[in-house]
Amino acid sequence: NAGVTQTPKFQVLKTGQSMTLQCAQDMNHNSMYWYRQDPGMGLRLIYYSASEGTTDKGEVPNGYNVSRLNKREFSLRLESAAPSQTSVYFCASSETWAGIWYEQYFGPGTRLTVT
Amino acid sequence: AQSVAQPEDQVNVAEGNPLTVKCTYSVSGNPYLFWYVQYPNRGLQFLLKYITGDNLVKGSYGFEAEFNKSQTSFHLKKPSALVSDSALYFCAVRDNAGNMLTFGGGTRLMVKP
Repeated sequence: NAGVTQTPKFQVLKTGQSMTLQCAQDMNHNSMYWYRQDPGMGLRLIYYSASEGTTDKGEVPNGYNVSRLNKREFSLRLESAAPSQTSVYFCASSETWAGIWYEQYFGPGTRLTVT
Repeated sequence: AQSVAQPEDQVNVAEGNPLTVKCTYSVSGNPYLFWYVQYPNRGLQFLLKYITGDNLVKGSYGFEAEFNKSQTSFHLKKPSALVSDSALYFCAVRDNAGNMLTFGGGTRLMVKP
């Protein structure tokens, strides 16, 4: 049981380049999330997917797109990277049942630097 | 809009002493409250949560938290700190109608031998 996995672990991009961050979970969770973590700011939600086939914007969605490929996988795409997107990105998943949202389980993170 | 405040950037405590990491929140409706811990170069790990019921919640690794509705606080506590407790701690809140979890800025706990 690997939990939540993310690839890659590290990435350096040049301004304007694109890339996709991959996330997969093997806990059969309905909901998945993408966060970014910046020093002193905690985690901020970029996008989330409450269930397979749905996605919604979080607090800081500009410059990002997401795809909920299936129940297991939720990818985050940067179409044209900017230095302001230098951050650590975390994927998470959680169960939802009868309207109750349970604790989230986090992946190990992707450290992205945009030069 | 919901929000979380962790007023201390860092808390220093000697090993064996009790520790408290503070968290206050603002949310409409009933809050769902969480504490997470992050070790260096790792993702966040769930410690404990308050949904409803007893105001004192017990979690992993000997941690507990006290929910105080009148003070809108959810402080994390441990009776006897260990050096291995040194990490970054995050408080988070979600209201019972929303889908988003809002995190505080984090508090770094340093436990010295």
